Amino acid sequence: ETGVTQTPRHLVMGMTNKKSLKCEQHLGHNAMYWYKQSAKKPLELMFVYNFKEQTENNSVPSRFSPECPNSSHLFLHLHTLQPEDSALYLCASSDGGYNEQFFGPGTRLTVL
Amino acid sequence: AQTVTQSQPEMSVQEAETVTLSCTYDTSESNYYLFWYKQPPSRQMILVIRQEAYKQQNATENRFSVNFQKAAKSFSLKISDSQLGDTAMYFCAFRVYNFNKFYFGSGTKLNVKP
Repeated sequence: ETGVTQTPRHLVMGMTNKKSLKCEQHLGHNAMYWYKQSAKKPLELMFVYNFKEQTENNSVPSRFSPECPNSSHLFLHLHTLQPEDSALYLCASSDGGYNEQFFGPGTRLTVL
Repeated sequence: AQTVTQSQPEMSVQEAETVTLSCTYDTSESNYYLFWYKQPPSRQMILVIRQEAYKQQNATENRFSVNFQKAAKSFSLKISDSQLGDTAMYFCAFRVYNFNKFYFGSGTKLNVKP
């Protein structure tokens, strides 16, 4: 595997379900990010982790719970979601300094 | 606060023609980096081109080039000889040196017509 991978690629869940999204980066980066991308809306930054420590929480509802066990893995735990949470969830990573972010392919989430 | 503005929600261009996508940003920082990303329909977001703010020379990558105007805080993307595969959402982004946070514009949807 190379770059940034995300699983699953597609997820359909009911409002009472609990599920998790997984992201893994194979680039040796120290920072990892979760974004939400909804139709007709700008990219929304949700969380940032740097060397496993959360450095940014952009007022995300508590039904989204991130976990970063190490610099290569990032999870987003989902519970009691709402239909408006349906979106493409993108994971990204970067190193320090000045380089660009690398994005995963995203998880397309549908909440019924 | 840092902001990035893309004022063109959607654009169209004929195949083989040239198109320019606009981006303006606002920052009080002096050391930063600018990026253009491409997100094709149902495909992964990838970097198109990057520009270091301290460099006066505009970056180029094959058919893609930027017009970086630091004083005006403008960073436009020019696509020459447009191809059908250029159809995508294009995002302008900004990063302050050594900060793990990227600021994105709202995107421009580019449609290349045959």
